Amino acid sequence: EAGVAQSPRYKIIEKRQSVAFWCNPISGHATLYWYQQILGQGPKLLIQFQNNGVVDDSQLPKDRFSAERLKGVDSTLKIQPAKLEDSAVYLCASSSGLAGGGGAYEQYFGPGTRLTVT
Amino acid sequence: QKEVEQNSGPLSVPEGAIASLNCTYSDRGSQSFFWYRQYSGKSPELIMFIYSNGDKEDGRFTAQLNKASQYVSLLIRDSQPSDSATYLCAVRGWGNYQLIWGAGTKLIIKP
Repeated sequence: EAGVAQSPRYKIIEKRQSVAFWCNPISGHATLYWYQQILGQGPKLLIQFQNNGVVDDSQLPKDRFSAERLKGVDSTLKIQPAKLEDSAVYLCASSSGLAGGGGAYEQYFGPGTRLTVT
Repeated sequence: QKEVEQNSGPLSVPEGAIASLNCTYSDRGSQSFFWYRQYSGKSPELIMFIYSNGDKEDGRFTAQLNKASQYVSLLIRDSQPSDSATYLCAVRGWGNYQLIWGAGTKLIIKP
């Protein structure tokens, strides 16, 4: 079974430029997450999709970040314009779980995209 | 504010010894508890999860859950240098597939 795919793996941009990240979850996984991880910290949830709908985007800085999952499969996360503090690793994860039920429904991560804003 | 707390470490353990990693959480309604391993420059990798009180064993790893005291621990037996990594604890509540993450404990296994 193929894992979560992400691209690009690395990106260096100047502040005020825009950047986009792509994620393809594990086949059949309904729930997709985008996280931001700063060195020395745990992952911070930016947005959670269930199929092609948004479940939670309360921590997404909506003035500069946007995300979509149009066909309920792959997803893109965009930053425009980027700030220095956006330098981080952006992780995509997927889970087979659907909101509203029990069970563990563990999350599986892609390799991440390391973003450096100069 | 739901929180998950971990000692940041580093925790240094001799090769072959038992490494014990701890995690406490604030939300009594938490249902599932996860341990992830993250090597430097890599993404988190699921080690195991537990949702019933008591112990769950998987190879050299044992997760222990005590809901009354709101803590979960991970024991690594016969520690190897390849176990050196940051270990992240994550907790999930009922009916919600979001995980609340700790900041991780850095584990160093010394040969």
